[in-house]
Amino acid sequence: KAGVTQTPRYLIKTRGQQVTLSCSPISGHRSVSWYQQTPGQGLQFLFEYFSETQRNKGNFPGRFSGRQFSNSRSEMNVSTLELGDSALYLCASSPQEGDRGTHEQYFGPGTRLTVT
Amino acid sequence: GNSVTQMEGPVTLSEEAFLTINCTYTATGYPSLFWYVQYPGEGLQLLLKATKADDKGSNKGFEATYRKETTSFHLEKGSVQVSDSAVYFCALHLSGYSSASKIIFGSGTRLSIRP
Repeated sequence: KAGVTQTPRYLIKTRGQQVTLSCSPISGHRSVSWYQQTPGQGLQFLFEYFSETQRNKGNFPGRFSGRQFSNSRSEMNVSTLELGDSALYLCASSPQEGDRGTHEQYFGPGTRLTVT
Repeated sequence: GNSVTQMEGPVTLSEEAFLTINCTYTATGYPSLFWYVQYPGEGLQLLLKATKADDKGSNKGFEATYRKETTSFHLEKGSVQVSDSAVYFCALHLSGYSSASKIIFGSGTRLSIRP
C-alpha cells in the first residue's frame, strides 16, 4: 500500500497570503488528522476529519481550516499568513472505524511552510 | 490533566551503547501507549505500541513495557546504530475515544549516535 502523501513538500509564502496544503491518506483510511510541528511548540493537533466531517478541532484561530473529500483526501487552508505560521505541517491517517480501531497514526512526510 | 513527559534531549551516545529514553504519563483510564520516530526530513513513523498494562511493544530492536504501577513506557535498545539517530516521541491515546484529538504527544527526544 502506498503511504500518506502530502503536496507540496516545500512552500514559501509572504505574510498576508493564503495557502492550501493537500494530503492523500492510505487507501482505506477514513480518518485524516493535521498537525503543526514547530521547534518551540512541538507537535500540535489542528483538526481531524472522518468521513468528510470535521470531528475535532485543536486550539488554533479560524484562519486555519480544512476539509475532506469523499475519497478521504484532505486539504487544509491557512488564510492571512503570519510569520508564526512557519512550520512543518503533518498529515496523518488512521484505520480507525467508529469507536474501534487501533488509533495508530500513519504520518506523511509533511509540508514545510516558510512565511516571509 | 492528561500529559506525556519525556526526558529532555539531546541524547548523544556512541555506537553499540545501551539506550534508554524515559517516558511517563498522566491519564485517566487505561490509555494505549506508543513510540513514534521521526528521521530527518520525514514525518513520524510508528515504532511500537502497547495497549494494556504489562504489554511489551517491540520493533527493530527497540522495546518498551507498559508499566501501570509507575505510569511509564520507557524506550530501550541494547545496541544502538548510527542509523537510529532521530527524534523519538512518546504518545498516549486516551481510552474510550476514537478521535485523534485524544492522542497526546510528548515533546520529543533527539537522539544522536556517534560512529
